[in-house]
Amino acid sequence: GAGVSQSPRYKVAKRGQDVALRCDPISGHVSLFWYQQALGQGPEFLTYFQNEAQLDKSGLPSDRFFAERPEGSVSTLKIQRTQQEDSAVYLCASSFGDGEHYEQYFGPGTRLTVT
Amino acid sequence: GQNIDQPTEMTATEGAIVQINCTYQTSGFNGLFWYQQHAGEAPTFLSYNVLDGLEEKGRFSSFLSRSKGYSYLLLKELQMKDSASYLCAVRDNTNAGKSTFGDGTTLTVKP
Repeated sequence: GAGVSQSPRYKVAKRGQDVALRCDPISGHVSLFWYQQALGQGPEFLTYFQNEAQLDKSGLPSDRFFAERPEGSVSTLKIQRTQQEDSAVYLCASSFGDGEHYEQYFGPGTRLTVT
Repeated sequence: GQNIDQPTEMTATEGAIVQINCTYQTSGFNGLFWYQQHAGEAPTFLSYNVLDGLEEKGRFSSFLSRSKGYSYLLLKELQMKDSASYLCAVRDNTNAGKSTFGDGTTLTVKP
């Protein structure tokens, strides 16, 4: 079956622009996670949804970052007024359960470059 | 919070065995994951440990000691395709979903 998909795969934004990154999780997966991964580092947790409820957004670096999952399936990560330090790969992952031991399935990521 | 340490780089020879260590200091613990990430690709799940001991899955095994805050990933019969970054991640029991990742160990397998 289809895995986690993300779009766009690559995004170049000028500093100050708003961007929206989309994640389509595996059908039926309850949990959805967003991570930010800088070059040479591990993924850093941004936020977590269980169905449509955002249960943890403690990793969002500033109020310029906003995530939603209105119908409990597709999720969008929005970054307003992008800054150069926002340049990174944004990974989305989904898992079947409520975050208990079920492994996370990652999408290919969106590489964001802010110029 | 969580603090996770793993070596930055390792090199091994095709056909050999390599052990990648991970140590963690946590405010809570609800399982440890190992993921493999090839350059430019998404991480893929390798193993999960929540109780002490060894979990074996084919050429890959993972060990956990909760009292020592220590895990390792053992890769046997190394193949060139095993060249990748190996990420250790700890799940926090204070929040059902949040996992903290280490920065990964880049393994290079040489002929």
